[in-house]
Amino acid sequence: QKEVEQNSGPLSVPEGAIASLNCTYSDRGSQSFFWYRQYSGKSPELIMFIYSNGDKEDGRFTAQLNKASQYVSLLIRDSQPSDSATYLCAVIRGTGFQKLVFGTGTRLLVSP
Amino acid sequence: EAGVAQSPRYKIIEKRQSVAFWCNPISGHATLYWYQQILGQGPKLLIQFQNNGVVDDSQLPKDRFSAERLKGVDSTLKIQPAKLEDSAVYLCASSLDRNQPQHFGDGTRLSIL
Repeated sequence: QKEVEQNSGPLSVPEGAIASLNCTYSDRGSQSFFWYRQYSGKSPELIMFIYSNGDKEDGRFTAQLNKASQYVSLLIRDSQPSDSATYLCAVIRGTGFQKLVFGTGTRLLVSP
Repeated sequence: EAGVAQSPRYKIIEKRQSVAFWCNPISGHATLYWYQQILGQGPKLLIQFQNNGVVDDSQLPKDRFSAERLKGVDSTLKIQPAKLEDSAVYLCASSLDRNQPQHFGDGTRLSIL
């Protein structure tokens, strides 16, 4: 079992729709959760982080965390073609050495 | 605020040659990370520094890779000798402290012929 799992996609949504990106993690002791956006040929860019159960909103982005289900998601409202990128979920695991572990990413395609 | 600076942006070498990458973190960031990202995968941590000390290098292939962070600021990552499987993007990131959000540089794309 991978430490952080994401569906590789692509996830295709029309412009203006809500894109829902999901991530599960295996270490129940994990405390910190991050979403990075990576455009093709570019480096990862931090867009959201969440530490507590529940929702955290920032503009068109909402991160949701459910520690009991070991599940974290990212919602993008009013999706734009410029949101087309790979979204990486990353988790600082709680056991052993606390390092950031990335999923393989979900590719999002927003069509005009 | 200036971001994480990396150089070079691109490097092409032949196998068995050596190569070095340089990173300057965001000012004031105590923690510095080097990642390897192979196409289609998420970044994989190679080494983590806290100030000028190594806190994790468990995934660094120490027979060929080395890294240092003298004076707790700039860092260099070296590969010697390079293998074909080292073709990847090498990313440097920094954070204010451990467990804080990490910010990435533009990366170095390494191609081994």
